[in-house]
Amino acid sequence: AQSVAQPEDQVNVAEGNPLTVKCTYSVSGNPYLFWYVQYPNRGLQFLLKYITGDNLVKGSYGFEAEFNKSQTSFHLKKPSALVSDSALYFCAVRDNSGAGSYQLTFGKGTKLSVIP
Amino acid sequence: DSGVTQTPKHLITATGQRVTLRCSPRSGDLSVYWYQQSLDQGLQFLIQYYNGEERAKGNILERFSAQQFPDLHSELNLSSLELGDSALYFCASSPLGGRQETQYFGPGTRLLVL
Repeated sequence: AQSVAQPEDQVNVAEGNPLTVKCTYSVSGNPYLFWYVQYPNRGLQFLLKYITGDNLVKGSYGFEAEFNKSQTSFHLKKPSALVSDSALYFCAVRDNSGAGSYQLTFGKGTKLSVIP
Repeated sequence: DSGVTQTPKHLITATGQRVTLRCSPRSGDLSVYWYQQSLDQGLQFLIQYYNGEERAKGNILERFSAQQFPDLHSELNLSSLELGDSALYFCASSPLGGRQETQYFGPGTRLLVL
């Protein structure tokens, strides 16, 4: 069965500092990996995804993520955090093999707080 | 704005009742997904439809059912409601339902069962 782990329930970072939100995954085949952000009382907004190719993926609002196959990780990063980045971040995985589950499996979410 | 619309935004009902949640996908998207978000279970995939046909099923209870209509909108029916069904229900859509496609989420319907 596929799964996603976001080991930190909360991450606090000072405004202007780099931020990292961690994600590790488990799938039987190869992964398709996604990051979404959820602001209070809003739906999920797509940030970026890894399908194949370059391990460093760039997305919306200055976010990027690095796919590391050996460590089965897909950490979300941003060089300089903004207060407006404070939100709930979700990592998700889908198995790209025909035998794997069709569903998109989400992690529990990490609450990011950027302190002014 | 993702282009996915959901109605109603809020729903308050009593245990034992039945409700219907509605979703309109982004223009041109053929696949619709339903998710449940609760504090204890997180974001759980319920069911996926593609062009009117069920494609994948997740952790959907037997009391819950869904369908996708010829105009591609979808409805999620929740019956014999229990307190534990209180949650945020999201609909998402993608063009063809492929594994690598991005799913675009609607704003959700917040259900409160009293």
